[in-house]
Amino acid sequence: DIVMTQSPDSLAMSLGERATINCKSSQSVLSSSNNKNYLAWYQQKPGQPPKLLIYWASIRESGVPDRFSGSGSGTDFTLTISSLQAEDVAVYYCQQYYSNLPLTFGGGTKVEIK
Amino acid sequence: EVQLLESGGGLVQPGGSLRLTCAASGFTFSNHAVSWVRQAPGKGLEWVSAISGSGDGTNYADSVKGRFTISRDNSRNTFYLQMNSLRDEDTAIYYCAKELGFCSGAGCLPFDYWGQGILVTVSS
Repeated sequence: DIVMTQSPDSLAMSLGERATINCKSSQSVLSSSNNKNYLAWYQQKPGQPPKLLIYWASIRESGVPDRFSGSGSGTDFTLTISSLQAEDVAVYYCQQYYSNLPLTFGGGTKVEIK
Repeated sequence: EVQLLESGGGLVQPGGSLRLTCAASGFTFSNHAVSWVRQAPGKGLEWVSAISGSGDGTNYADSVKGRFTISRDNSRNTFYLQMNSLRDEDTAIYYCAKELGFCSGAGCLPFDYWGQGILVTVSS
């Protein structure tokens, strides 16, 4: 199984600051056949289901604000919120969909306002 | 508008059974693999099971293999999770989720839509 490790577990930033969340996979999720990273990011607000933010490591889902961006390749990935807004308070998860199941998620990073 | 609506959750004793249902609408159901993902209280996300769009491919997490069965009825735009031999550690909110786009099999794309989730509590 591919293990996804996120850091930090939580972070508190001021409004307008840049927030960075890291995700590391135990093996590469980069496909040599199509040069795509099989890595997604989700946002989960309290009492709500997860919402897809980013897929293929850097493609923003339709309707997601452009302050959210994804980067990285192979085993190391980053979700960046360029200017933190109050509505961004949530838990963020990375997920790999590379291996032939099981699909695996990172442990989550809780983002709060300082 | 894509919608996924879970039903069938509730309180069950250890060793008991439940069947979860997810009714889908707003997309071509048979073109998309779907999964069940669960979240224990205060914990992270755990993928449970997936089924391909045609229904001929299924996969399970080791934690539920042999106890849970996923199935779908493409004529009713519905899929199911039959849960047997339930344990305390199966207590969680269960979400149904559809994969973005079409791929052969299941588990090759992220989840672009999720249901609101339904609570399953296993307790005596």
